Amino acid sequence: IVLTQSPVTLSLSPGERATLSCRASQSVGSYLGWYQQKPGQPPRLLIYDASNRATGIPARFSGSGSGTDFTLTISSLEPEDSAVYYCQQRATALTFGGGTKVEI
Amino acid sequence: QVQLQESGPGLVKPSETLSLTCTVSGASIRSDYWSWIRQPPGKGLEWVGYVYHSGSTNYNPSLRGRVTMSVDMSKNQFSLKLSSVTAADTAVYYCARRNSNSWFDSWGQGTQVTVSS
Repeated sequence: IVLTQSPVTLSLSPGERATLSCRASQSVGSYLGWYQQKPGQPPRLLIYDASNRATGIPARFSGSGSGTDFTLTISSLEPEDSAVYYCQQRATALTFGGGTKVEI
Repeated sequence: QVQLQESGPGLVKPSETLSLTCTVSGASIRSDYWSWIRQPPGKGLEWVGYVYHSGSTNYNPSLRGRVTMSVDMSKNQFSLKLSSVTAADTAVYYCARRNSNSWFDSWGQGTQVTVSS
């Protein structure tokens, strides 16, 4: 299953809302997760099963969608949210999207 | 708090076998699934495979035939062997825990492996 993320880069200001998209080449049900990766660090799990926040993740991060279309929303950007965000599916094998870089 | 630490050679010659070990602390290797994920320079993430303490494994189909993963319960470690490496296998290799919800919730810091003669 191929995951296509858009946009490739998103440039926004602090306090703005960020909307990141992940589209699957076939249905993955709700088996979609989101990770945040900052330079020189491993990825961090943000959202699992499409809409569940992982432990310790701030409420400004939310996920939605099912089937083939998913969205990660950051409701009010903080400077520390600058990172690359990856989606990942676990419906069939495991694959990651190409990432969206969020610049603040 | 679960901690994972990768170890192994940072340089491997083409056609040889890449070998890495991940040491787990704060959790038993007898629970959950233990995974390897890699990231080529400047690129995205690629799942390599995972292993369960029973020895059962699941590998990325694109790497099947070259990948072997195993668990050492006495040392609370798991390992990766990737044979017949080429420059395309150059990457940061991460070990990670796939938790009870089947997501990667704990990661090592990663180790750079370069394939070059």
